Amino acid sequence: EDQVTQSPEALRLQEGESSSLNCSYTVSGLRGLFWYRQDPGKGPEFLFTLYSAGEEKEKERLKATLTKKESFLHITAPKPEDSATYLCAVRGWDTDKLIFGTGTRLQVFP
Amino acid sequence: NAGVTQTPKFQVLKTGQSMTLQCAQDMNHEYMSWYRQDPGMGLRLIHYSVGAGITDQGEVPNGYNVSRSTTEDFPLRLLSAAPSQTSVYFCASSQREITYEQYFGPGTRLTVT
Repeated sequence: EDQVTQSPEALRLQEGESSSLNCSYTVSGLRGLFWYRQDPGKGPEFLFTLYSAGEEKEKERLKATLTKKESFLHITAPKPEDSATYLCAVRGWDTDKLIFGTGTRLQVFP
Repeated sequence: NAGVTQTPKFQVLKTGQSMTLQCAQDMNHEYMSWYRQDPGMGLRLIHYSVGAGITDQGEVPNGYNVSRSTTEDFPLRLLSAAPSQTSVYFCASSQREITYEQYFGPGTRLTVT
């Protein structure tokens, strides 16, 4: 059964304090791994898609990486506006469905 | 482009009542889906559609019906509301084969008493 586990559940950072969020997955043939950002009271917003181990993608202070078993979302010198819940999802080759993790709630304090 | 729109934003139902959550997209996307989001459970797929006239069940389909008569619209029907259906509901759409990034609507917060 496809499964996604995200850690930690919550993370508090000082502004400028870099860190990483983890997404471990089990899927029968990875077709894509997706990162989303969700602000309170809003729908998730797409950030990245990663397709194969070794792939990396960057957007501003965020960098996503992928191995055969997990993905990391690295946040470099975060700002308070990076505070949000970050969701990871996977899709396997034999399905049209996305399986989401429960998310990491990030708070960045000035 | 309005993107993905959902109505209503908030709804309170009594147990046993029925209602339809509306979802529309103006991006000509083939794939549309409905999720529910509950604390500690993450987003769970209820139903999805890969094109007009085609729907399929997700992880938690019981108590919900969908239809896809047009590319733009994908309504979610609650047949007989139960307190366990209290949740936040999100509709999403994507170009199925090209990228599969999903665009989410703003959500409907439903309370069943």
